[in-house]
Amino acid sequence: AQSVTQLDSHVSVSEGTPVLLRCNYSSSYSPSLFWYVQHPNKGLQLLLKYTSAATLVKGINGFEAEFKKSETSFHLTKPSAHMSDAAEYFCVVSDRYDKIIFGKGTRLHILP
Amino acid sequence: DAMVIQNPRYQVTQFGKPVTLSCSQTLNHNVMYWYQQKSSQAPKLLFHYYDKDFNNEADTPDNFQSRRPNTSFCFLDIRSPGLGDAAMYLCATSTRDPGSYNEQFFGPGTRLTVL
Repeated sequence: AQSVTQLDSHVSVSEGTPVLLRCNYSSSYSPSLFWYVQHPNKGLQLLLKYTSAATLVKGINGFEAEFKKSETSFHLTKPSAHMSDAAEYFCVVSDRYDKIIFGKGTRLHILP
Repeated sequence: DAMVIQNPRYQVTQFGKPVTLSCSQTLNHNVMYWYQQKSSQAPKLLFHYYDKDFNNEADTPDNFQSRRPNTSFCFLDIRSPGLGDAAMYLCATSTRDPGSYNEQFFGPGTRLTVL
């Protein structure tokens, strides 16, 4: 069985400081892992994905994530937060075509 | 640009009055999904089509139906909307081609209000 846990429901950081959004997963197979971002009243946009090619994955808008199998983690980071990063972030795991599991989401707040 | 389109973006209906939400895609993907997302929650999968094969999630209410007349279009029908059905409805697509890793492409969503 697979599952995904986003460890923080809300994260607040000051503009220009680093961002860390935490995600742990459980999977019986070799998973694909995704981070999506959702701005208010919008659909979900893919930030980045892990598909077993490289453990450090670079995405759009300066975000990156590192797949750590030993820790079953896929945390999302960004070196310097921007006001436009304020949004909801979802970690998603998939290990079979018809099984896609969403985390509960982390709301990122950016303080001026 | 290839994309997933949802119409309308905002839909208002009355309690018990049937409503249909529309999704179309230009990606030529063989899988289409419908999600329900309530405020401050993760999207909840209602059902998906793999080509014409319909797959209903076990806990999707009978009030929700779907149609996929061709590869490009998929519809969500809510037969008798209740107040609890007010939500954002998201359509997504993916392909099961090798190397796709089940990446989903989402539409902008339809915000449903039930009066």
